[in-house]
Amino acid sequence: DTAVSQTPKYLVTQMGNDKSIKCEQNLGHDTMYWYKQDSKKFLKIMFSYNNKELIINETVPNRFSPKSPDKAHLNLHINSLELGDSAVYFCASSQDLGGQETQYFGPGTRLLVL
Amino acid sequence: GENVEQHPSTLSVQEGDSAVIKCTYSDSASNYFPWYKQELGKRPQLIIDIRSNVGEKKDQRIAVTLNKTAKHFSLHITETQPEDSAVYFCASEATNKLIFGTGTLLAVQP
Repeated sequence: DTAVSQTPKYLVTQMGNDKSIKCEQNLGHDTMYWYKQDSKKFLKIMFSYNNKELIINETVPNRFSPKSPDKAHLNLHINSLELGDSAVYFCASSQDLGGQETQYFGPGTRLLVL
Repeated sequence: GENVEQHPSTLSVQEGDSAVIKCTYSDSASNYFPWYKQELGKRPQLIIDIRSNVGEKKDQRIAVTLNKTAKHFSLHITETQPEDSAVYFCASEATNKLIFGTGTLLAVQP
C-alpha cells in the first residue's frame, strides 16, 4: 500500500534507446510531478500535471514526453536517450495545485545510459 | 528568475552538537518554506515547514526560523544523532511549484 510508487527502480540502457518510467499514487491527489536529480543531488522539476492536464513544462527537451492517463498515474517516456539523461527520476504528488502543498515523493528510478 | 541558495553544501558535526542550515530565496511573494530530508538512496520526505505568518516553528529537535525582510530561513537541529545524517533540502513556494535549494549533506559523527 505504498503511497507513491514507481517502476522500474533501476534502468540501464544504451544511448539512443527509448524507455518509459511509470508512476502511480493511491493518495487521491490531483497533482503529480516529475523531478530529475542529477549526480550533484540537485532536485529539478520537469513537469507537473493537475487532473491529467499539463501545468508545468520546465524547458525540458522534447525527447521527454509525459503522459497522464488518469489523475492517479503519470508516466514519462524518453526518446533517443543520451548520456546526460543519467540521473534519478522522482515522481511526486500533492493534494492540489499550488506551491504550498506538501509533496509526497516516490522511491525514484535510477537511470543509467551507457 | 526564482532562486533558492542553500549553505553549507556539506556539514559535519559530532553527535549531540547542533546543526544549522541556511537558505535565501529571491521571490518576495513566497509564503511557504518546507524542508525535506533525503537519506542515502531514499526519497525526499517533508520534515518541517513554515509559513510567512510565523517567524519560528519547532518540532522536537528540529526548528525552522524565517526572516521575511531579509528573505532568509534556516533549519536548526539540536542534539544531533547519527540517524540525522542525510541530505537536507530547503524549498520555497513559486507559482504552482516548489523551488528547491541545492542541498546540504549533513554527517553526524558518533
